[in-house]
Amino acid sequence: DTGVSQNPRHKITKRGQNVTFRCDPISEHNRLYWYRQTLGQGPEFLTYFQNEAQLEKSRLLSDRFSAERPKGSFSTLEIQRTEQGDSAMYLCASSRRFAEQYFGPGTRLTVT
Amino acid sequence: TQLLEQSPQFLSIQEGENLTVYCNSSSVFSSLQWYRQEPGEGPVLLVTVVTGGEVKKLKRLTFQFGDARKDSSLHITAAQPGDTGLYLCAGPNRDDKIIFGKGTRLHILP
Repeated sequence: DTGVSQNPRHKITKRGQNVTFRCDPISEHNRLYWYRQTLGQGPEFLTYFQNEAQLEKSRLLSDRFSAERPKGSFSTLEIQRTEQGDSAMYLCASSRRFAEQYFGPGTRLTVT
Repeated sequence: TQLLEQSPQFLSIQEGENLTVYCNSSSVFSSLQWYRQEPGEGPVLLVTVVTGGEVKKLKRLTFQFGDARKDSSLHITAAQPGDTGLYLCAGPNRDDKIIFGKGTRLHILP
């Protein structure tokens, strides 16, 4: 059990560019979650996978956001045409038991 | 809308003091989780409480779930600088999404 890993840890991009983040969950966990966290706030739910199926998607996730989890293992979160308002920490979590989530270190996105 | 409200927002105390932080809702939760988050890192799960009135201890940290399962508290005895961080409570809402409070930012002064 090596924990949840996320790459990259930091990403600086110019407005309008596309970015992709990767999350590798704990191997025996079938549930995977993406959250966004801004300064002074708790994590906000974005989307959730059970195995490879994307079961839930928040209204926060505009059409510019897409997430995949091919083969039910790692997951990617892509943001197209980034905007300054997308600057945040993007957190990935995995779980075996519902509600008890194990988080990765996050990817901090800065859009200039 | 189910919300989790945490208080206080900020707390700064001297090493060795005791403190309590709160997580409140007007809604019933099937369970609540407490996490600690350090700057630049993801939250780390501390505990899950499930049964109304349940008390769980983790070294100097004591977690309690309210009898009506609408609130929870975290009490720290003899706080140490290593306890510094953002304490988050979270729980599943009616749609089975996990919602988080905004957290209590705790700073322990040496």
